[in-house]
Amino acid sequence: DAGVIQSPRHEVTEMGQEVTLRCKPISGHDYLFWYRQTMMRGLELLIYFNNNVPIDDSGMPEDRFSAKMPNASFSTLKIQPSEPRDSAVYFCASSLRGRTDTQYFGPGTRLTVL
Amino acid sequence: GNSVTQMEGPVTLSEEAFLTINCTYTATGYPSLFWYVQYPGEGLQLLLKATKADDKGSNKGFEATYRKETTSFHLEKGSVQVSDSAVYFCALGDAGNNRKLIWGLGTSLAVNP
Repeated sequence: DAGVIQSPRHEVTEMGQEVTLRCKPISGHDYLFWYRQTMMRGLELLIYFNNNVPIDDSGMPEDRFSAKMPNASFSTLKIQPSEPRDSAVYFCASSLRGRTDTQYFGPGTRLTVL
Repeated sequence: GNSVTQMEGPVTLSEEAFLTINCTYTATGYPSLFWYVQYPGEGLQLLLKATKADDKGSNKGFEATYRKETTSFHLEKGSVQVSDSAVYFCALGDAGNNRKLIWGLGTSLAVNP
């Protein structure tokens, strides 16, 4: 299996621009998670989906952030407009339903907003 | 709600030294407990897990025991290697929902030859 795939791996953009991060979960997994990692705040769960439906978006920082999962093999996290404080590493993870779910992480997207 | 407290780093050890990284938790019910590891430039990956009290998770020479009486899940390894240099995260399932994990802040480990 190819594992969780994220693109791009690195993104540098200017304040005010729209940023779209992409994720392909492991085939057959029915949960998908978006995380943000910073030195100051550690690892934060932004949103997670089950069977393509958003279940908990309480971690999404504000309306500038949106996430979609149009099908079982693709998800996007969009920031519009981007701000310098959005600079972080964004991880996507997927898992298969079960009592002891293991989350499988992608390599992350390092976002820098100038 | 559930929470996890992890010892702060960084931790610096010499090769073959004994490693302990402390993790304590507060929880309702009996959530599963996890240790994840993040190598430089990579995503997190599961190191080991335990699903109930007194369970011991183990992998790659690392061990952790789910201690209900002390609400702890300390990570140990008897002899660390340079290749163990990474950031280690303790996590537990949210109340009634192991799909949503509560994460510690991570402990950075550097092993010198």
